[in-house]
Amino acid sequence: QKEVEQDPGPLSVPEGAIVSLNCTYSNSAFQYFMWYRQYSRKGPELLMYTYSSGNKEDGRFTAQVDKSSKYISLFIRDSQPSDSATYLCAMSGGSNYKLTFGKGTLLTVNP
Amino acid sequence: GAVVSQHPSRVICKSGTSVKIECRSLDFQATTMFWYRQFPKKSLMLMATSNEGSKATYEQGVEKDKFLINHASLTLSTLTVTSAHPEDSSFYICSARDGGGRGLRDQYNEQFFGPGTRLTVL
Repeated sequence: QKEVEQDPGPLSVPEGAIVSLNCTYSNSAFQYFMWYRQYSRKGPELLMYTYSSGNKEDGRFTAQVDKSSKYISLFIRDSQPSDSATYLCAMSGGSNYKLTFGKGTLLTVNP
Repeated sequence: GAVVSQHPSRVICKSGTSVKIECRSLDFQATTMFWYRQFPKKSLMLMATSNEGSKATYEQGVEKDKFLINHASLTLSTLTVTSAHPEDSSFYICSARDGGGRGLRDQYNEQFFGPGTRLTVL
């Protein structure tokens, strides 16, 4: 079993839709949970970061962590064509530990 | 945010040659830099972690003699792919962590990623 599982998609939605992206993990030592956005042929950029369980909201983005289920989610409200990218979940066992990434989900938001 | 650059952005080389990729932190001092490899439709896989002035720590399965990493200064790390072969063709991405605290969010110390280098070995 891989440490981090993420459905690679692709996922195609109309503009304005609510998008739900998910990852599951097996390593109970993970404490830090991140979502990165990666445009084609570019490096990843950090979108959301959450420490331990709970919800975090930033504009149109909401990150959820359920440590009991080892399940994390990213919700995008009112999706825009500019949100079209690959979204990668990443996890870490400590503040200065290495990151373990999911495969990434390719999202296309159609105008 | 902090800026990390990579050079070159794209390189095509013949099998058997060596290729050097540079990673620079432009506006901060990077005490730790990371090198990742990303194959199409695959996740970023950490290859090695390098701390300035010390030897890199390689992940299991990564050949240290093939992927030479040098982190000689607080703003520069290099990855040299020696005797490259077609199976080494990939997208190589570096990231850097600010030793001075930029990117520190609560208890998490953010890694800033470079734009990546596309290596194609013919």
